[in-house]
Order: sequence, then C-alpha cells, then structure tokens
Amino acid sequence: DQQVKQNSPSLSVQEGRISILNCDYTNSMFDYFLWYKKYPAEGPTFLISISSIKDKNEDGRFTVFLNKSAKHLSLHIVPSQPGDSAVYFCAASENSNYQLIWGAGTKLIIKP
Amino acid sequence: DTGVSQDPRHKITKRGQNVTFRCDPISEHNRLYWYRQTLGQGPEFLTYFQNEAQLEKSRLLSDRFSAERPKGSFSTLEIQRTEQGDSAMYLCASTQPSSVADTQYFGPGTRLTVL
Repeated sequence: DQQVKQNSPSLSVQEGRISILNCDYTNSMFDYFLWYKKYPAEGPTFLISISSIKDKNEDGRFTVFLNKSAKHLSLHIVPSQPGDSAVYFCAASENSNYQLIWGAGTKLIIKP
Repeated sequence: DTGVSQDPRHKITKRGQNVTFRCDPISEHNRLYWYRQTLGQGPEFLTYFQNEAQLEKSRLLSDRFSAERPKGSFSTLEIQRTEQGDSAMYLCASTQPSSVADTQYFGPGTRLTVL
C-alpha cells in the first residue's frame, strides 16, 4: 500500500515556463512534507519542505502548496531552468516517527 | 566537512557473499538513516540511529542485514549471504540535532549488484 504517490513518472516543460509536480498521500497522520531532487549517480538533495500547519511555503523559484483536505501537495518551479532537469521525490513523515515515506518520483525534463 | 560520504560507491558481488558498506555522516549530525532504493522507486527506510543507539528497524531489514554505529559517528551496513534481490542503491542520510522534522541530508549512495 503506497502511502505517498506521484502519479506522473515524467514531465516535460519548456524552459522559462512553470513546472508543476504533484504528490498525493493517504495517511492523515502525516504532518511534514518534503521535496527532494535527485541527479543521476547522486543522492537526493533536499529542496523545500512544509509543515501541515501551513498551506504554502516559498523559497526562491520553488513553492510548495499543501491541500490537507485533498491530501495533495504540489511543487511549483518558476521559471523552469535546464538545471532543474532531475527526478523529484515527494516524502512525508509523522512528527513522532522519524521515518520518511517516499513517492516513486517524477522525472522532470526542461526543454531549451 | 562537505557532506555525507559513503564507501564504496559501487560493489559487485556474487550471490552468497557478504558485503559491508560504510557511511560517514555530517560531523555534527547525531541521527543517521539507511535507505534502500530500487529502480523506479523512491527510497525505502531500513533503519535509524540516534547516536550509537539503533532506534528503529524496518521489516525490510531481514536477519541477513545488520547495521551498527559503534561510536555514534560512522555507520556500517552489512548484508550476509547476499541474494540477487538485494541489488539496489543503498543510501545513507543524516540530520542535525535541532531538526524538528526530518530534513535529511543524503550521501551519494552505494550501488550493489549481486550476480
């Protein structure tokens, strides 16, 4: 049973446009959500996070939106740049449990 | 200190052999995690240490797997009697002591291939 789902295996976006990556979860006990970026042959790199007490968190070109009622979060990248091409993972945790539960990832391709 | 390091980066072994991986976390981080990642999937939690204490183990961690962190610094993950299904990327991560929630910093991983 996948508690964190990223239903789009890949996404292709034109450079300069907005990239929107989506993530759904089933466990209502999750209260902290993170996005990681992964390049080939490297470990995941932390990108941005959001607590369940917020519905939006912004860091430069990256914004994460959380819709608790829909159990859905999204990552917006504006404007998209070629260096953003990578696999993006959504992860979630319960505050009392340090385990991170991960989605399967979405491969983002930024076209020049 | 430039981040989490893992050694080796790649390991090819024959089925039935034992392998050991090492992880050196960021020096001030007291929490250390091991994950396994297979192709097309996100990382799966294996185990977690706070200092030298192993606090949690996933059901994925069969009795062929053992992890240690003897002095609360580096950690080792040993797989005994490897099977082809153990082929995966093994990732290590660490977090800062003040971290309220898990902003984990990852190493580059050890890719294991069992022939």
